[in-house]
Amino acid sequence: SAVISQKPSRDICQRGTSLTIQCQVDSQVTMMFWYRQQPGQSLTLIATANQGSEATYESGFVIDKFPISRPNLTFSTLTVSNMSPEDSSIYLCSATGGYYGYTFGSGTRLTVV
Amino acid sequence: ILNVEQSPQSLHVQEGDSTNFTCSFPSSNFYALHWYRWETAKSPEALFVMTLNGDEKKKGRISATLNTKEGYSYLYIKGSQPEDSATYLCASPTGANNLFFGTGTRLTVIP
Repeated sequence: SAVISQKPSRDICQRGTSLTIQCQVDSQVTMMFWYRQQPGQSLTLIATANQGSEATYESGFVIDKFPISRPNLTFSTLTVSNMSPEDSSIYLCSATGGYYGYTFGSGTRLTVV
Repeated sequence: ILNVEQSPQSLHVQEGDSTNFTCSFPSSNFYALHWYRWETAKSPEALFVMTLNGDEKKKGRISATLNTKEGYSYLYIKGSQPEDSATYLCASPTGANNLFFGTGTRLTVIP
């Protein structure tokens, strides 16, 4: 199965700044997703990263706050913009070719101070 | 939005004890049920993908069962070891291919 390299693994950021998280897959994948896990909560889908077009965002998430790029079938970025302490979470990318096989990055632990 | 729930939220067991956790999910429009093991700073590790009612799968000391009619799955760990300490996640795919996760069960095995 595909292997995803996710960077950075952790960061501590000042409020008001932005952080871009990258995921590089070692093979072409059909679909890529970005999730967030706030403390004590489930992994929640932020958006589906679409290759060559705008990402599809879930309710409660907007492009201005979480811009996503997917320039090709092996790479995607998520930016957390104008950060506040409430954005402190684990951010996780995932890739799949269907219902039965998913692979994940190792997560980015973000702390906003 | 799928309602996937896990219990308990956290669990402490002694080394050598056996334990089990529960995942409940909507029984309608069922595609599959995934179990993952997630250690801090690592990628979630796939344990099982279960699709058929009555499925039982085993991987070493870990096994899982599936009941799609009543919407639950159990994960069992026999003879827990400290290296089993992790968060165990269950998830179900939606029609849009993304996974809907439960909150996870955080297992701590005490040596």
